[in-house]
Amino acid sequence: AQKITQTQPGMFVQEKEAVTLDCTYDTSDQSYGLFWYKQPSSGEMIFLIYQGSYDEQNATEGRYSLNFQKARKSANLVISASQLGDSAMYFCAMREVDSSYKLIFGSGTRLLVRP
Amino acid sequence: NAGVTQTPKFQVLKTGQSMTLQCAQDMNHEYMSWYRQDPGMGLRLIHYSVGAGITDQGEVPNGYNVSRSTTEDFPLRLLSAAPSQTSVYFCASSYSGQGTQYFGPGTRLTVL
Repeated sequence: AQKITQTQPGMFVQEKEAVTLDCTYDTSDQSYGLFWYKQPSSGEMIFLIYQGSYDEQNATEGRYSLNFQKARKSANLVISASQLGDSAMYFCAMREVDSSYKLIFGSGTRLLVRP
Repeated sequence: NAGVTQTPKFQVLKTGQSMTLQCAQDMNHEYMSWYRQDPGMGLRLIHYSVGAGITDQGEVPNGYNVSRSTTEDFPLRLLSAAPSQTSVYFCASSYSGQGTQYFGPGTRLTVL
C-alpha cells in the first residue's frame, strides 16, 4: 500500500503568488517524521522542511511552510511568493519508525512557475 | 564545506560489468544510506549504515554490496550490472538515523 500520496503530478503558479503542494500519508505509528525535498532540473535533492509528528506548531523555513493536519494525515507544502527558481520537482517523504530509518517518498509534483 | 560528495556523476556500463559508486561526507555523520531513483518515481532505499562497520539491507538490496570501513565513506558496489540497474543513485547522510538526511548530487548510471 502506498504510504505517501502526492496527487498533483504537475502544477502551475504565477510568479509572486503562493502555491500549495499536497501530500497525504499513511502510518499507524505515533512517532514519525515528514520531509519535503526539492529536485531541480540539475537533479540534486535539496532538503526544504521537516515536521515531527509531535510538533504542535507547523514548521516554517523562510518562504516554505508545512501545513500539518495530523487527524487528516496530510502534510502540505506551502510556498509563498513563488520565484522562477522554484520550478522543480517536489517530493514529500516520511521516515519510518524502524531500524532502517528509511525515507519513503511520494511520486512527486512538478511545479512550474510562470513569469 | 563539501557536504555529501559522489563520484562519478555519470557512468555507462555493459551488462555483467562491475563497478563501485563512491560516496563521502565530511560532516561526521553516523548514518549513511544509498537510494535509487527510477523515472517518475521517488527514491527507494538500497542499503544503509548506522555507523562504521555496520551495514544492513534496505528495500531493494539485490545486486548491490556495501561496506563502511570509515565514518566518512560508504561505497556502493554493483557486482554484475544489469539493465534493470539503470537509474540515478543518491547517497545520503545524517547525524543520526532520526536526523534530517542530506543528499549527494547523484550518479546517473546506464547499463547497456
